[in-house]
Order: sequence, then structure tokens, then C-alpha cells
Amino acid sequence: KAGVTQTPRYLIKTRGQQVTLSCSPISGHRSVSWYQQTPGQGLQFLFEYFSETQRNKGNFPGRFSGRQFSNSRSEMNVSTLELGDSALYLCASKADGGETQYFGPGTRLLVL
Amino acid sequence: AQSVTQLGSHVSVSEGALVLLRCNYSSSVPPYLFWYVQYPNQGLQLLLKYTTGATLVKGINGFEAEFKKSETSFHLTKPSAHMSDAAEYFCAVTLYSGYSTLTFGKGTMLLVSP
Repeated sequence: KAGVTQTPRYLIKTRGQQVTLSCSPISGHRSVSWYQQTPGQGLQFLFEYFSETQRNKGNFPGRFSGRQFSNSRSEMNVSTLELGDSALYLCASKADGGETQYFGPGTRLLVL
Repeated sequence: AQSVTQLGSHVSVSEGALVLLRCNYSSSVPPYLFWYVQYPNQGLQLLLKYTTGATLVKGINGFEAEFKKSETSFHLTKPSAHMSDAAEYFCAVTLYSGYSTLTFGKGTMLLVSP
């Protein structure tokens, strides 16, 4: 099976812009989670989607949002970008009832 | 709420030496525990996991970890380090099967010298 894929791999944006990141889970996985990784805060959970519904949400401002499509692909959006949003954004998928999350390669976002 | 503490942000070993990366957790319920590895400019790769059953778990690339409930620990070991083991290692905890929120430690960078 193909692994989790994320596009784009790299992005450069300026403050105030918005950005959309995409994630395609492993085939058959309906759960998609997003994490933010920064040198200062480490890996932090953003949100999880399951069957097009947000099932869980981390402690991030409302500028961070996401959605999931009927084919389980997910997108996350960050509006009004701030310098502190520069990070590696990781997507992970999980099988129904499973305990293991499988991660994609990430999208590295640089905000100037 | 659960939490994970990884002792040592950097660990240096010589090639062929024992690798020991420490992880302690706190959880209100029996946890599921994971070790992931991250190579530069890549995502996270699962090394091994503990869910239930045998407390000594073996993973890929010769790594293993032992779940010790009394010590709330899940330390990662490898008998003999290889240069290719140089990477960042993350310990993570989740509450139960089906629950998707992983709580990660801060990570330990493993440096391997020849």
C-alpha cells in the first residue's frame, strides 16, 4: 500500500496570507490527524478528522482549520499567517480501531 | 491528561556501543506507548509500540523497549549502534486503541561517532 502523502512539501508565504495543505491517507484509513512540529514547542496535535467530521481538536487558535472529503483526503488551512506558524506540518492516518498512526513526510511552511 | 518526558535532548554514542534513550510517561489509564524515529527532512517512522501483552517489545532496525508500569517508563535500547541510527527519536503516548491524539516527548537526538 502507498503511504501517507502530503502536498506540497515546501511552501513560502508572507505574513497575513493564508495557506492550504493537503494530505492523502493510506488507502482504507478514515482517520486523519494533523500535527505541528516546531523547534520550540515540539510536536503538537492540531486536530483529527474521521469520516468527514472533526473528532478531536488541540489547543490552537481558530486560524487553524481543516476538513475531510468523502475519499478521506484532508486539507488544513491556516489563515492570516504569523511568523510563528513557520513549522513542519505532519499528517498521519490510522485504521479504524487501530492504535498506530502512520505519518507522511510533512509540509515545511516558512512564513516571512 | 497524559504526558511524556524524554531525558536528554542529545545522546552521543560511539559506533558499536549500547544505545539507551529514556522515556517516562504519566497517564491516568493504562497507556499505549510508541517510539518513532525522524531522519532529517522526513516524517516520523514507527520503530515499535506497546499496547498490551508482552512488556518487552521488539521493533525495526534492532531496537527494543520494555514497558515498566511500576517505573512508568518505556526506555528504548539497541545493543550496538550503527552510524545510520543517527536521527531524532520521539516517545509518544495515547490513551487507548482508537483514540487518535498522540502526546509526544520533546525528542532525543542520537549522535553516533565512528
